[in-house]
Amino acid sequence: EIVLTQSPGTLSLSPGERATLSCRASQSVRSSYLVWYQQKPGQPPRLLMYSASNRATGIPDRVSGSGSGTDFTLTISRLEPEDSAVYYCQQFDSSPRTFGQGTRVEIK
Amino acid sequence: QVQLVQSGAEVKKPGASVKVSCTGSGYTFTDYYIHWVRQAPGQGLEWMGWINPDSGATNYAPKFQGRVTMTSDSSISTGYMDLSSLRSDDTAVYYCAKSYIEAAGTDYWGQGTLVTVSS
Repeated sequence: EIVLTQSPGTLSLSPGERATLSCRASQSVRSSYLVWYQQKPGQPPRLLMYSASNRATGIPDRVSGSGSGTDFTLTISRLEPEDSAVYYCQQFDSSPRTFGQGTRVEIK
Repeated sequence: QVQLVQSGAEVKKPGASVKVSCTGSGYTFTDYYIHWVRQAPGQGLEWMGWINPDSGATNYAPKFQGRVTMTSDSSISTGYMDLSSLRSDDTAVYYCAKSYIEAAGTDYWGQGTLVTVSS
């Protein structure tokens, strides 16, 4: 089973700052099979990025993804209050399709 | 518009089974996988498996193998997740979600179904 470790656990930043979220895999993940989600309280997850670096429909270009192999990054530039949420990575490269434990982004 | 609508909350006793439904609309049901993901209170997301409604093929996470059954009825655009031998740690919100191909991620999610297991 591929274990995804996200860091940091919590990120507390001010509006306008940049958030950098890490997702590290215990073994190599083909970049085509790495996705990112955003989840707000009481809501289902929302797809942000697929294939590591492709924005899903309706996601603004201040959200970007990168990485390959075992290291992947989600970057949110120019943070806005609406970005306050928990962010999860997930891999679809091998079964089971595991999630990271999540990174909470707090806006000061 | 695309929607996935799940069945309502359930309360079950330990050892019982639960069946959650997920009805899709606004897209061709058989063109998309249906995934099931659960989230225990205050915890992260856990992938349970998927079903291909076109072929009926399934892929279950080893943790749930033997306890979960995913089925679908294309005539009513509905997928089902049946979990048996319920324990208290199965208490969670269960979500369905769809994906065209897995690499594209799950682009639409149901609203979630709370399953509470309590004696």
